[in-house]
Amino acid sequence: SQKIEQNSEALNIQEGKTATLTCNYTNYSPAYLQWYRQDPGRGPVFLLLIRENEKEKRKERLKVTFDTTLKQSLFHITASQPADSATYLCAPNSGGYQKVTFGTGTKLQVIP
Amino acid sequence: GAGVSQSPSNKVTEKGKDVELRCDPISGHTALYWYRQSLGQGLEFLIYFQGNSAPDKSGLPSDRFSAERTGGSVSTLTIQRTQQEDSAVYLCASSLRLDQGANYGYTFGSGTRLTVV
Repeated sequence: SQKIEQNSEALNIQEGKTATLTCNYTNYSPAYLQWYRQDPGRGPVFLLLIRENEKEKRKERLKVTFDTTLKQSLFHITASQPADSATYLCAPNSGGYQKVTFGTGTKLQVIP
Repeated sequence: GAGVSQSPSNKVTEKGKDVELRCDPISGHTALYWYRQSLGQGLEFLIYFQGNSAPDKSGLPSDRFSAERTGGSVSTLTIQRTQQEDSAVYLCASSLRLDQGANYGYTFGSGTRLTVV
């Protein structure tokens, strides 16, 4: 069955450092992969989408990579700030009209 | 509206009672999704609607769960004879179309926290 794995343990980093979150998937070949941010008591907020033919995508301090051979996406936040503290969800998707499946998320804590 | 609106934000109900959760998507969005998020768990797909097409109900966990979408806009998720395992946050999302959501992301509401006691 399709499986999405994100680090279940919280990631604590010092303010100003680069945070790197990992998303691994098995038993399918997504055409797209989305990343969302979720704050406590709120719904997820869409951040970035990367396609299978794109190795890397950037948006401000965010960078996402997509390695279809390793079946892995990495999500980087550079110059991290305490306001970046949240849970980050990845969602590999087969594209087209498929419903999106989400990982369980990784909680990031940026320490001032 | 400006965003996806869900009501109520919190609901406490007794085991065995029926509950209705409401979702008001962004105006003009034809695709609407319901997800469930249990404590410490990922988002579990329940159902989606796309325009006037038959909904994809493949994620509904039992026949106690049903959903409808009236007039291509507001959706109601109904849980009959609630059980304690139904306790979770129920999230609604919308997108312009199914393919737009897959390609450009979904807009989620803040969810309804359901507690069955």
